[in-house]
Amino acid sequence: DAGVTQSPTHLIKTRGQQVTLRCSPKSGHDTVSWYQQALGQGPQFIFQYYEEEERQRGNFPDRFSGHQFPNYSSELNVNALLLGDSALYLCASSLVVGPMDYEQYFGPGTRLTVT
Amino acid sequence: EDQVTQSPEALRLQEGESSSLNCSYTVSGLRGLFWYRQDPGKGPEFLFTLYSAGEEKEKERLKATLTKKESFLHITAPKPEDSATYLCAVQAYGATNKLIFGTGTLLAVQP
Repeated sequence: DAGVTQSPTHLIKTRGQQVTLRCSPKSGHDTVSWYQQALGQGPQFIFQYYEEEERQRGNFPDRFSGHQFPNYSSELNVNALLLGDSALYLCASSLVVGPMDYEQYFGPGTRLTVT
Repeated sequence: EDQVTQSPEALRLQEGESSSLNCSYTVSGLRGLFWYRQDPGKGPEFLFTLYSAGEEKEKERLKATLTKKESFLHITAPKPEDSATYLCAVQAYGATNKLIFGTGTLLAVQP
C-alpha cells in the first residue's frame, strides 16, 4: 500500500518566482492538508482540501494557494517567493472512519530553498 | 488560543536508560492528541492517537498516556535507533482535521 508521496524532493528558487508542489494521498484517503515546517519548528497548518474545495485555512497569505483534483491528489502553489518561504513543505492525507478512529499520515516533504 | 508545549527541547539518554517526554496542551475541546516521530529531513511518522483522559497506547518501546492537560511519551530501554525528534499535536473539535503542533523533543540515545 503506497503511502503519501510528494514531488519534487528538493527545489531551489529565486525570490519573486513561483513554485508548484505536488502530493498524492495514501490510497483510499480523500482529504489532503498542507503544512510548512521551518527548521527547528513544528509543522504549521497552511490549508486543507476535501472534495476539491479548500475547507480550512491557516494564517498564511493569499500567495499560498492550492488545488485538489478528482483523484484526490493536490497541488500547493506559492507566488512571489520570499526568503522566509524556505522550509520543508509537508502534505498529509487522512480519512475519517469514525469519531474515535482517525489518523493523519504525512509524506516525505519537499525541501524548498529560496535564494 | 489552542496551544501545545513540549519539554524538554532536547534529551540525551544512554542506551537502556528509560525516560519520558512531556506534551502540555490547551485546546477548546480535545478531539485527539497525536504523537509523531520525525527523522532529519523526513516527514513525520505516525505513532499514536489518544482521544480521552486515561487512555494509553503502546508500540514496541513506546507508551503514550493522556490526561486532561498533558500527554507523556514513555520510552522504555531505548536503543540508538530511537533517536529522532518526537512531535506532539492536538486536534480540536470543530477544526476539521487541522493539527496544532508543538516544537518537538530532540531525543539522542547513545550506545
